Amino acid sequence: DAKTTQPPSMDCAEGRAANLPCNHSTISGNEYVYWYRQIHSQGPQYIIHGLKNNETNEMASLIITEDRKSSTLILPHATLRDTAVYYCIVRGSGGSNYKLTFGKGTLLTVNP
Amino acid sequence: DSGVTQTPKHLITATGQRVTLRCSPRSGDLSVYWYQQSLDQGLQFLIQYYNGEERAKGNILERFSAQQFPDLHSELNLSSLELGDSALYFCASSVIPTTINVLTFGAGSRLTVL
Repeated sequence: DAKTTQPPSMDCAEGRAANLPCNHSTISGNEYVYWYRQIHSQGPQYIIHGLKNNETNEMASLIITEDRKSSTLILPHATLRDTAVYYCIVRGSGGSNYKLTFGKGTLLTVNP
Repeated sequence: DSGVTQTPKHLITATGQRVTLRCSPRSGDLSVYWYQQSLDQGLQFLIQYYNGEERAKGNILERFSAQQFPDLHSELNLSSLELGDSALYFCASSVIPTTINVLTFGAGSRLTVL
């Protein structure tokens, strides 16, 4: 699985959009980008995933660059409850091993 | 409530002891994953089961073992406990491990070894 690089921390004002970047320059063609978040000591929560097209769901939007070497998770209107560690994970589609490998993620702090 | 049930929520025990953590996957999910999260290590994958069979192994110590039963619930057994085993242990489940594999996590079991 490709390695990802995320900033260790970011701040965002409540009500503003939070844009969380992720670099995955060694991503290969069949690898998906997944985003999870973990609110303090709770179980990680799935947010969104994508291959090459931009994706949107009720929680967030995922923008993947055309060369797929980086992506951005967008929380359109951040709230205090969005304060969490956000994990960007790249995982291949082949083989029998479908675990997700978590890195250190980005601690997003939403300020009032 | 994610649908993944872990028990117990909290457990305090002594070094050298043995404990069992239990996980019931979300209804319909066939695959179970165990993760360990300690303060200095982050989320570490331990082991994965699919329909009762072990599918993948991560950094799981020999003192730890797991299994998935016919009713699909899973147990993680931790023996000869050491202080460093104190951590949050998460169970996750997924429908079938395929190309798109979204994991649903439980709330975790917090183990404290004194």
